[in-house]
Amino acid sequence: EAQVTQNPRYLITVTGKKLTVTCSQNMNHEYMSWYRQDPGLGLRQIYYSMNVEVTDKGDVPEGYKVSRKEKRNFPLILESPSPNQTSLYFCATALAGGWNEQFFGPGTRLTVL
Amino acid sequence: DQQVKQNSPSLSVQEGRISILNCDYTNSMFDYFLWYKKYPAEGPTFLISISSIKDKNEDGRFTVFLNKSAKHLSLHIVPSQPGDSAVYFCAASDLGNDMRFGAGTRLTVKP
Repeated sequence: EAQVTQNPRYLITVTGKKLTVTCSQNMNHEYMSWYRQDPGLGLRQIYYSMNVEVTDKGDVPEGYKVSRKEKRNFPLILESPSPNQTSLYFCATALAGGWNEQFFGPGTRLTVL
Repeated sequence: DQQVKQNSPSLSVQEGRISILNCDYTNSMFDYFLWYKKYPAEGPTFLISISSIKDKNEDGRFTVFLNKSAKHLSLHIVPSQPGDSAVYFCAASDLGNDMRFGAGTRLTVKP
């Protein structure tokens, strides 16, 4: 079954404590991306990756890091989380390029106290 | 700046009637438009798309209309069903690698 998985699904943490949200896909897609969803703002892109070792900033990259060492995985790293990073995070993949249909993971609800 | 705007946060319609969800955009470079549907506790799922070379695309009960001169698109659902109750996101791309989403419209279809 084609799927995008994210872990953890829910996380409560404290300011400054480094965390990683993992994203994995089994569709052999070239393109992967991270979004955050906030009320009234919709989905905003954080980072995206066109292929292994190729990443680029989206609209709201500040405070986040990513890496793409393998095609299937695209972890999102918060080196020093702050309360304004409390949000619902989605990983998404696309066959080739972010302009076409994207497949989303189930989301990770992050709360930073 | 929000380049894709969905000005109606919510919409309520009766089962069997038409639902019309609207979306406006400001960037004239956008060439490809998509609608996604999102249920609670799930990720968005792709619904329908349209290229800027068309003004209409239909898939079953779902039709998307594009008016490039007005920078406006709409999603029509006919007939609406209770299972269509969800949040709908409009998205636009300039055929590059980023996609811009609207804030979403929550559709409620009443039995």
